[in-house]
Amino acid sequence: ETGVTQTPRHLVMGMTNKKSLKCEQHLGHNAMYWYKQSAKKPLELMFVYNFKEQTENNSVPSRFSPECPNSSHLFLHLHTLQPEDSALYLCASSHNRAGELFFGEGSRLTVL
Amino acid sequence: DQQVKQNSPSLSVQEGRISILNCDYTNSMFDYFLWYKKYPAEGPTFLISISSIKDKNEDGRFTVFLNKSAKHLSLHIVPSQPGDSAVYFCAASRSLWQGGSEKLVFGKGTKLTVNP
Repeated sequence: ETGVTQTPRHLVMGMTNKKSLKCEQHLGHNAMYWYKQSAKKPLELMFVYNFKEQTENNSVPSRFSPECPNSSHLFLHLHTLQPEDSALYLCASSHNRAGELFFGEGSRLTVL
Repeated sequence: DQQVKQNSPSLSVQEGRISILNCDYTNSMFDYFLWYKKYPAEGPTFLISISSIKDKNEDGRFTVFLNKSAKHLSLHIVPSQPGDSAVYFCAASRSLWQGGSEKLVFGKGTKLTVNP
């Protein structure tokens, strides 16, 4: 069982669809993150949750809505996305310290 | 404005030789630096880190060097192996106790290919 699990691995959606990405971590970490990786761009931090509380929103458009019901689960709800939102969305978790992130395998999103 | 820069998008080396991956940063408040490795269709995995109080950290075949005055760090892999072929991301952060958010800032990555 991997430490950080993301589902689905691949998602294709239209601009009017509503879908959700799910992340689950089995490492006992307190912090969870959503990152976006677009082609030829650095990994971009989207949201940070620490002990279920959102501590960072990196100016992400409201069509992305995170939810963290507990320290082990993190969701990213998607609504009326644009084609430029197509990217790899990576979930990560960490214990209470700077740095070491444990990443999931990512959800490859394509918006048509 | 990119705070962490990896200016070489790709690097190719021969098996057994040394691989040197470079990273530059602009924010002098960064005090913790990391390298992550990413294979295709997988998430990045932590490789090695270094705190700003050190200038070198070694773990097996991997060594990270930090030059604070030049705001430069490098990852040395020796000897390089074909299984090291991956994309390597440099990342930096500023500790909470220094007024930072522990948010990691990543570079764009360097694709390393180790040829047999």
